[in-house]
Amino acid sequence: QKEVEQNSGPLSVPEGAIASLNCTYSDRGSQSFFWYRQYSGKSPELIMFIYSNGDKEDGRFTAQLNKASQYVSLLIRDSQPSDSATYLCAVNIREGNYGQNFVFGPGTRLSVLP
Amino acid sequence: KAGVTQTPRYLIKTRGQQVTLSCSPISGHRSVSWYQQTPGQGLQFLFEYFSETQRNKGNFPGRFSGRQFSNSRSEMNVSTLELGDSALYLCASSSGQGATGNTIYFGEGSWLTVV
Repeated sequence: QKEVEQNSGPLSVPEGAIASLNCTYSDRGSQSFFWYRQYSGKSPELIMFIYSNGDKEDGRFTAQLNKASQYVSLLIRDSQPSDSATYLCAVNIREGNYGQNFVFGPGTRLSVLP
Repeated sequence: KAGVTQTPRYLIKTRGQQVTLSCSPISGHRSVSWYQQTPGQGLQFLFEYFSETQRNKGNFPGRFSGRQFSNSRSEMNVSTLELGDSALYLCASSSGQGATGNTIYFGEGSWLTVV
């Protein structure tokens, strides 16, 4: 059973701080990793994806991947109250021409306090 | 460019009935996948279709089925509904090709309540 684990939270940070969200996965062969944000009562929306070891930055968001440790994280700089949501880590356990089968973590609930 | 469109958005069904949900992917996307989200089990993969063929399947009973049409639109069907089938059903679209072809984009979902 391929698994993705996250701390369920809630993680509370003050406005303007850096929020750090962590995720570990069990399938060592996984190649692509995704972060989604989900507001209450809404569907998940893609924040970013990462395929290679290291950091990938997109605006206030930075994804970090360490395949040796089977660990992926998401940093949110200058956190805003509008960032308050559940953040879902997802791993695609099927690759290339085999399509996709995403395994999602349970999500971390982030609360940014004004 | 229009996003993923799912219909209906909300529905209530009785145990034992069946339900069909519809999904139109992002224009040009050929892969459609379906997910079930419940508070207890989280987001779980049901199946993926690409060019009218089921390419991947999750661990759900045979009551859950789907299909894809030549225009990439997809439907999923749940027969003999059970109370535990109450969930948010999410359709996701991806190009299905190329280096980022497996990046999925979700529709707004169909909220199913079984009573």
